[in-house]
Amino acid sequence: KAGVTQTPRYLIKTRGQQVTLSCSPISGHRSVSWYQQTPGQGLQFLFEYFSETQRNKGNFPGRFSGRQFSNSRSEMNVSTLELGDSALYLCASSIQAGELDTQYFGPGTRLTVL
Amino acid sequence: GDSVTQMEGPVTLSEEAFLTINCTYTATGYPSLFWYVQYPGEGLQLLLKATKADDKGSNKGFEATYRKETTSFHLEKGSVQVSDSAVYFCALSGGANNLFFGTGTRLTVIP
Repeated sequence: KAGVTQTPRYLIKTRGQQVTLSCSPISGHRSVSWYQQTPGQGLQFLFEYFSETQRNKGNFPGRFSGRQFSNSRSEMNVSTLELGDSALYLCASSIQAGELDTQYFGPGTRLTVL
Repeated sequence: GDSVTQMEGPVTLSEEAFLTINCTYTATGYPSLFWYVQYPGEGLQLLLKATKADDKGSNKGFEATYRKETTSFHLEKGSVQVSDSAVYFCALSGGANNLFFGTGTRLTVIP
């Protein structure tokens, strides 16, 4: 079974631009979560989607948004990019939105903001 | 709120040495606990998990026991290999697929 895929793997943008990242979960998985990983802040939860609905959101500004499609694929968008948004963005999927479910991570998208 | 405190790194060991990476947690309720590993240039891979007190998770020679009385989930391996060099993250589930991660511990194993 194919794992979680994320596109693109690398991205370079300039301040003020916006960016959209894509995540395709493992087949049959309905929950998708997004995380930001930076050297300074570590791994931080952004948001989680289940059946096209955002169920949980971390402590990030409104510039960070996401959505999930009927096939469970998810996108996250960051508008008005700032230098501090440079990070590895990780997507994780699980079968459903339960505390006992294991999350499986994709390889990440490395975003560099210049 | 929920949080994970993880042993600071980096940790450098010789091949076949014993490994312990300490992890303690603060949580309301009874979260599931996880260890994830991140190899250079890659995403996170689940190493092992435990879902209730006294459970022992194990995989690839690594073990960790969910200790409710000490709120700990220390990672151990009896004999590390060069291929174990990676960053290890302890995490707990905050409900609805919200994982709280520790800061990560970089392990380097030298031949």
